Order: sequence, then structure tokens, then C-alpha cells
Amino acid sequence: AQKITQTQPGMFVQEKEAVTLDCTYDTSDPSYGLFWYKQPSSGEMIFLIYQGSYDQQNATEGRYSLNFQKARKSANLVISASQLGDSAMYFCAMREGMDSNYQLIWGAGTKLIIKP
Amino acid sequence: DSGVTQTPKHLITATGQRVTLRCSPRSGDLSVYWYQQSLDQGLQFLIQYYNGEERAKGNILERFSAQQFPDLHSELNLSSLELGDSALYFCASTGLAPTGELFFGEGSRLTVL
Repeated sequence: AQKITQTQPGMFVQEKEAVTLDCTYDTSDPSYGLFWYKQPSSGEMIFLIYQGSYDQQNATEGRYSLNFQKARKSANLVISASQLGDSAMYFCAMREGMDSNYQLIWGAGTKLIIKP
Repeated sequence: DSGVTQTPKHLITATGQRVTLRCSPRSGDLSVYWYQQSLDQGLQFLIQYYNGEERAKGNILERFSAQQFPDLHSELNLSSLELGDSALYFCASTGLAPTGELFFGEGSRLTVL
């Protein structure tokens, strides 16, 4: 079974609109972390935001926020006031456990295109 | 700049050849991960090293091997290359950050002709 599911292969959004990228996860471990990474066309992987399973508040980093709904096992990325430079692939990933020697489990990604 | 250095950035070679990709992790990071990303695909985990020892293995082909040296840099060796090995190969490292995020290098883009 997929542990990380990103149901939107691609999205087109008008510039300046808010964007929500979906991510659902599956784990039985009570301690886990959720990550979002951005991969622009140049190829590098850029860390955006992190949410720990015990964090009481939704994580925010500038225009990025993570809509964490633990009961639904969803960790959607919200980008406010989208910009042309937000066009990229976006990956959701999960870490299970708190051992430093962990692996990240990756979703298939969502390709976001911002239209001018 | 993530602090993770990968060389070479681009590599073009022929089928049947062997190449070595190199990665220097962030200063102080003990864990190194290798990932393969084929065109328009997600990240496929290949292998993880921690302080010189192999810790986890993913979908790594037998034609591929890796090691982490005492100075913590790592090399990924790809041999008997096939057209399907063309991909972006990422190295990532992690250390003591509370979130445990992975810091990625810029990748090595391998093209097999």
C-alpha cells in the first residue's frame, strides 16, 4: 500500500491565487514527520516545510503553510499568493520514527504550473 | 546552498561503461543517502550510509555499488550502463537537525547514449 499519496499529478493555477497541494499518508507509528520539497525545472530539491506528528500547530514558513489534519492523515501544502516562480514539482515525504537513521518515504509529486 | 556537494553535475557516457558519482555531505553530517530520479518520476531510494557503514538498501541494482569513506564523502559506482540508467542522481545528507530534514546536493545528471 502507498504510504504517501499525492493525488494531483498536475495543477494549473492563476498567478496570485492560493494553491493547495494534497498529500495523504499512512503510518501506524505515533511519531512521524512530514516534509514538503520543491523541485524547480533546474532540478535541485529545496526543503520547504516540516510538520511533526506531535506539533500542536500547523507549520508555516513565509508563504507556505501545512494544513495538518492528523485524524484524516493529511498534510496538504498551502501556498498563498502564488508567483510564477512557484512553478515546479512538489513532493510530500514522510519520516517514520525518531531514529536519526531514517528514510524518507516519498510521494509521486505534483507538477504545479502558475499561469500569468 | 545546502552544503552538500555533488560531482560531476553532468555526465554523458555510452552503454556498457562505468561511472563514479561523488558526494560530499554537509560538514558534520554522518548519514548519506543516494536517490535516483528518472525523467518525470519521483525519487527512488538507492542506499544509505551512516558513518561509513551501509544502513539501508532500496531498489539498487546489482550493477550499482556505493561506499562511504572515513572522511564521510561517498561515491556511487554505476557499471555496465544501460540506456535506462539515464537519470538525475541525488545525494542527500542529514545530521542533528531537530526535524531531520534531508539536505540535497544539486544532483548529477547522467545521460547514457
